Amino acid sequence: DAGVIQSPRHEVTEMGQEVTLRCKPISGHNSLFWYRQTMMRGLELLIYFNNNVPIDDSGMPEDRFSAKMPNASFSTLKIQPSEPRDSAVYFCASAGGGSMTGELFFGEGSRLTVL
Amino acid sequence: DQQVKQNSPSLSVQEGRISILNCDYTNSMFDYFLWYKKYPAEGPTFLISISSIKDKNEDGRFTVFLNKSAKHLSLHIVPSQPGDSAVYFCAASPNNNDMRFGAGTRLTVKP
Repeated sequence: DAGVIQSPRHEVTEMGQEVTLRCKPISGHNSLFWYRQTMMRGLELLIYFNNNVPIDDSGMPEDRFSAKMPNASFSTLKIQPSEPRDSAVYFCASAGGGSMTGELFFGEGSRLTVL
Repeated sequence: DQQVKQNSPSLSVQEGRISILNCDYTNSMFDYFLWYKKYPAEGPTFLISISSIKDKNEDGRFTVFLNKSAKHLSLHIVPSQPGDSAVYFCAASPNNNDMRFGAGTRLTVKP
């Protein structure tokens, strides 16, 4: 079974450019999460979706960040315009509704560097 | 607002000894608590969990303890092995969805 698939694995861009990160969750999972990992704050929850509907986006840093989930098998996280402080590893994770422990399955992450 | 806190950024132990990683939380609505392990250039992977109705859960060398009154949980690894060297994240959730993570503790097990 394929796990959570993220692309790109690495992205280097210049300040002001638009960045789009992509995620394909595990088939059958109905919850999808976007996290950002930084040295200072560890893993921060940015937004999560349940059945393709955004439930909580209070972790999204500011209006430059947006996330969509147009269908059960695809989600995007967009940063426009990007800034150097957005440099981090962005993780996507998914979870199945039947899990009693709430275990999340993470992708390998997208490392973003904004120059 | 850090609802889950791991106050030790790093821990170093000798192979064969016990590793104890600690975690504190502030939200009394958290019902599920999990530990994840992360190797460099990989995503975090689930290690062990505990629900709020229990105070201990054991899986092989890994045991998680929960003290609800103190809002504290810990992960014990015994005996520690060099392959356990990784970053360990504590996580908590009130409803199996809204999962919050701590900042992580980097464990180094020395041979």
